[in-house]
Amino acid sequence: GENVEQHPSTLSVQEGDSAVIKCTYSDSASNYFPWYKQELGKGPQLIIDIRSNVGEKKDQRIAVTLNKTAKHFSLHITETQPEDSAVYFCAASTTGTASKLTFGTGTRLQVTL
Amino acid sequence: NAGVTQTPKFQVLKTGQSMTLQCAQDMNHNSMYWYRQDPGMGLRLIYYSASEGTTDKGEVPNGYNVSRLNKREFSLRLESAAPSQTSVYFCASSGRADTEAFFGQGTRLTVV
Repeated sequence: GENVEQHPSTLSVQEGDSAVIKCTYSDSASNYFPWYKQELGKGPQLIIDIRSNVGEKKDQRIAVTLNKTAKHFSLHITETQPEDSAVYFCAASTTGTASKLTFGTGTRLQVTL
Repeated sequence: NAGVTQTPKFQVLKTGQSMTLQCAQDMNHNSMYWYRQDPGMGLRLIYYSASEGTTDKGEVPNGYNVSRLNKREFSLRLESAAPSQTSVYFCASSGRADTEAFFGQGTRLTVV
């Protein structure tokens, strides 16, 4: 089955700096790669996703890049703010009715003033 | 719009006791999932249901059973709880695996 590795496990940046989180996946059939943000005491929420026919996607301060050949994808947060502090998860999935979403182990991002 | 509702939010069980975690979604989603979250382990899939009437094992199914009662509800049962099942459990739903998954607020379960 699919295996998703994520690093770093913790990341501390100063407010205004950029943060980058990287993930690799094992199943070459995977073609959907979402990123989730989990705030303390809550369930994860989708912040951005990318499909295999796209190499990069941006949404304001957040961007995701995908390299299908190398089987890795990354989350980039620019101009970080204290409210970006949370745990971030990458995930991978194939399409199809019996598909399932496999998550990475998470990155705890701390944005300091 | 309630989204995904899980009950209970907290539970303490003694080793060997049984319990059922309830999950309901009001978004007419086909797919529903149960994950457990442990420190440093991320979200690990226990069971999932791609559509009403079907269930499949995930990464860590041992010690659990599930029931897809109807399209809205997907329950997780622990028949004989063990301390290793102490965790935070999340239910989620999506239209398909490759669309946005919506998560419940989680159930913090402690087995003593």
